Amino acid sequence: GDSVTQMEGPVTLSEEAFLTINCTYTATGYPSLFWYVQYPGEGLQLLLKATKADDKGSNKGFEATYRKETTSFHLEKGSVQVSDSAVYFCALSDRGTGGFKTIFGAGTRLFVKA
Amino acid sequence: EAGVAQSPRYKIIEKRQSVAFWCNPISGHATLYWYQQILGQGPKLLIQFQNNGVVDDSQLPKDRFSAERLKGVDSTLKIQPAKLEDSAVYLCASSLGGGTETQYFGPGTRLLVL
Repeated sequence: GDSVTQMEGPVTLSEEAFLTINCTYTATGYPSLFWYVQYPGEGLQLLLKATKADDKGSNKGFEATYRKETTSFHLEKGSVQVSDSAVYFCALSDRGTGGFKTIFGAGTRLFVKA
Repeated sequence: EAGVAQSPRYKIIEKRQSVAFWCNPISGHATLYWYQQILGQGPKLLIQFQNNGVVDDSQLPKDRFSAERLKGVDSTLKIQPAKLEDSAVYLCASSLGGGTETQYFGPGTRLLVL
């Protein structure tokens, strides 16, 4: 079945450091890929998404490119801020026998130090 | 625009008791999802409604969990009887349709079963 694997955390960085959070997936179809973020005390919210191969999603300085050949959707940011401290979830949405299903990775906690 | 509302925010019960959670999705959203998020894991879909019909309940433990979405708007999720392993955050989300659109999440209900 479909699955999402993302790098384990926590990831601790200093402010202005470069961020990469790895995400790989397995899917039987052609899924859409998402990064959701959960800030402390808040609900999950969409950070960015890509719906087909080679698409690049971007938002708030974060980027991720849908790589079908490597089945990956790694999240990157060139210069993190303390306010980026949160839990990041990679997810896919794919058509199954019962309709579309969304599968989340386990999440990666990011701490950014001033 | 109001977001997804959930209540209660926190609940503590003893094992074998029953509990119910309520969710009101964003107005006009046809699809409603209930997820279970165990500490340290990503959200796992329990049930998905399209309007007032069930699209996917393959991971819902039907011997103890039930959910309904009367009139295709708000929804309740019930656990009866609760087990220790049901301790988790229960997330409700909604989307316009049932495909690969963005899901909008509520703040969640944190359940502790003693």
